[in-house]
Amino acid sequence: SVVLTQPPSVSVAPGQTASITCGGDNIGSKSVHWYQQRPGQAPVLIVFDDRDRPSGISERFSGSNSGNTATLIVSRVEAGDEADYYCQLWDSSSDHVLFGGGTRLTVL
Amino acid sequence: QLHLQESGPGLLKSSETLSLTCTVSGASISRGIHFWAWIRQPPGRGLEWIGSIYYSGISYYNPSLESRVTISVDTSKDQFSLKLRSVTAADTARFYCARLSMDRSGYYHFDSWGQGTLVTVSS
Repeated sequence: SVVLTQPPSVSVAPGQTASITCGGDNIGSKSVHWYQQRPGQAPVLIVFDDRDRPSGISERFSGSNSGNTATLIVSRVEAGDEADYYCQLWDSSSDHVLFGGGTRLTVL
Repeated sequence: QLHLQESGPGLLKSSETLSLTCTVSGASISRGIHFWAWIRQPPGRGLEWIGSIYYSGISYYNPSLESRVTISVDTSKDQFSLKLRSVTAADTARFYCARLSMDRSGYYHFDSWGQGTLVTVSS
């Protein structure tokens, strides 16, 4: 089955743009979702179906997915964006859920 | 507004069975358009999907845990439950229940989570 690979950490200065990748064999043919988890809190869905945002999620969060890499983009990064970010996909052939290992976003 | 709440013992001994229940309010499990799931997160580590269940009782499990896990559903109470047998210290984690919803492409994502409950296994 697919293994989702994320970089353990990404650092960015306030106001800059952060890119967090999620790699997996041919994941561009599937739908990738992203979650933000702040310390001590439950994960929150921030992007689903590669690029859609739930109601109430800032437009600073956007996503793309092509080939073997899905990407979460955080624009105009703020201190409050410091959190762990996880990608997730649904394997429709098995009805199983897969998570990436998570990426810690640090705002410098 | 949808709310999920985990409940169950927070401390177990090795070899015991972990039992948790998720109570759903603000939605009906029997509506049948969602899956309901358990996810765990060991301290300082990432998320791990444990398994999912449909209102009919059809369930799917993480292959790494399948031999020890049972997820069941009680639609009359809008609850679903997790049993994890023969626990060890490696099973110490925060356990979350969550709802899976389908997107336009036909794939599922977690659109609502409980706050999680910490379960510690002592040796």
